[in-house]
Amino acid sequence: EIVLTQSPGTLSLSPGERATLSCRASQSVFSTFLAWYQQKPGQAPRLLIYGIYNRAAGIPDRFSGSGSGTDFTLTISRLEPEDFAMYYCQYSDDSRHSTFGPGTKVDIK
Amino acid sequence: QVQLQESGPRLVKPSETLSLTCTVSGDSISPYYWTWIRQPPGKGLEWIGHIFHSGTTTYNPSFKSRLTISLDTSKNQLSLKLNSVSAADTAIYYCAGDRFMSAWSYYWGQGTLVTVSS
Repeated sequence: EIVLTQSPGTLSLSPGERATLSCRASQSVFSTFLAWYQQKPGQAPRLLIYGIYNRAAGIPDRFSGSGSGTDFTLTISRLEPEDFAMYYCQYSDDSRHSTFGPGTKVDIK
Repeated sequence: QVQLQESGPRLVKPSETLSLTCTVSGDSISPYYWTWIRQPPGKGLEWIGHIFHSGTTTYNPSFKSRLTISLDTSKNQLSLKLNSVSAADTAIYYCAGDRFMSAWSYYWGQGTLVTVSS
């Protein structure tokens, strides 16, 4: 069973800065079934990135995903006020079992 | 636009069965992949299980034999039943779905908080 670790736990940044969020798998991932979500307080998660690199419909291009093997990254090129939120990565294996990382909170510095 | 709405009892007694329904509007339930996810208050997301349009299910092993996910295409609904609940099952329960993959979910319900307490 793959375990996902996200770092840092909290990222304190200012609007306009670049955010780099890490999602690390406990063993090498051979599929592209890696996704990222944004969640704001009191709201359901919102799909940002699927298949490691692909932006979901309606997601601004300041959000990008990358990575392979065990290390995956969500980058927000320039933080907007509405980007301060929790971010979760999700991985699904070939047997369609899924798991989420513990999350990274991006808050205002 | 696909919309999902969870419904069911908000309070369940320990050892009893938690039952939730997710009603899908805006499209037929049939071509989609559906997922239940939960989130204990103040904590992270936990994958519960998938059901595919074929009716095939995949469950989180941590729920062992307590879990049943099913589809009712005539009502455009999916359901979740979790037996023998305890306080550890207190969480916001989300139904979610995607047109193309079970590995992620584009559409989400607003979630419903279910509390397990006597």
